[in-house]
Amino acid sequence: DTAVSQTPKYLVTQMGNDKSIKCEQNLGHDTMYWYKQDSKKFLKIMFSYNNKELIINETVPNRFSPKSPDKAHLNLHINSLELGDSAVYFCASSATGTTEAFFGQGTRLTVV
Amino acid sequence: DAKTTQPPSMDCAEGRAANLPCNHSTISGNEYVYWYRQIHSQGPQYIIHGLKNNETNEMASLIITEDRKSSTLILPHATLRDTAVYYCIVRGWANFGNEKLTFGTGTRLTIIP
Repeated sequence: DTAVSQTPKYLVTQMGNDKSIKCEQNLGHDTMYWYKQDSKKFLKIMFSYNNKELIINETVPNRFSPKSPDKAHLNLHINSLELGDSAVYFCASSATGTTEAFFGQGTRLTVV
Repeated sequence: DAKTTQPPSMDCAEGRAANLPCNHSTISGNEYVYWYRQIHSQGPQYIIHGLKNNETNEMASLIITEDRKSSTLILPHATLRDTAVYYCIVRGWANFGNEKLTFGTGTRLTIIP
């Protein structure tokens, strides 16, 4: 009964590759997010989508392209991976008019 | 969103109350105080939020000073599972995808057996 699930949990890949991280929520929420936690443990928002529409895009390189096929899914595609992209990526969701965001367990991306 | 200041780390004995302070002296009238925690290797977890009044739920209590410039999160009977990084976040009311959370460095709380 996982509320927000991400796949894969771990991802190791070489520089220059293209990879995707998938996120699904079964809470019926209409807003989904991607956050990045770097090696110093700073958590920062990257994107938010509301009803499949991009709302927040926090100066993320355009190598990162989120895609929301429906309200329950928000995938993150990353082109031409760089060493600096190594981090833990968290997906989250919330319902309009509420205050609580639910986070997934994270995807640890390692670029070698 | 107003900035917050938290001590980098704290210890608390198991079974005792853990009191985590947060300063937010530039908070404006319509901004809320939120608390989240992150247990090692997991996603952040919502704990509680408040505007002016003290709040309590099954996880914790939130005490906000009258001038709203600081607050304290109280875990009444800390257990080892409460060891985590606790984030105090101040944010105005937002909606329709604008509800971003700006995380600071948080307080690393260690519960000691």
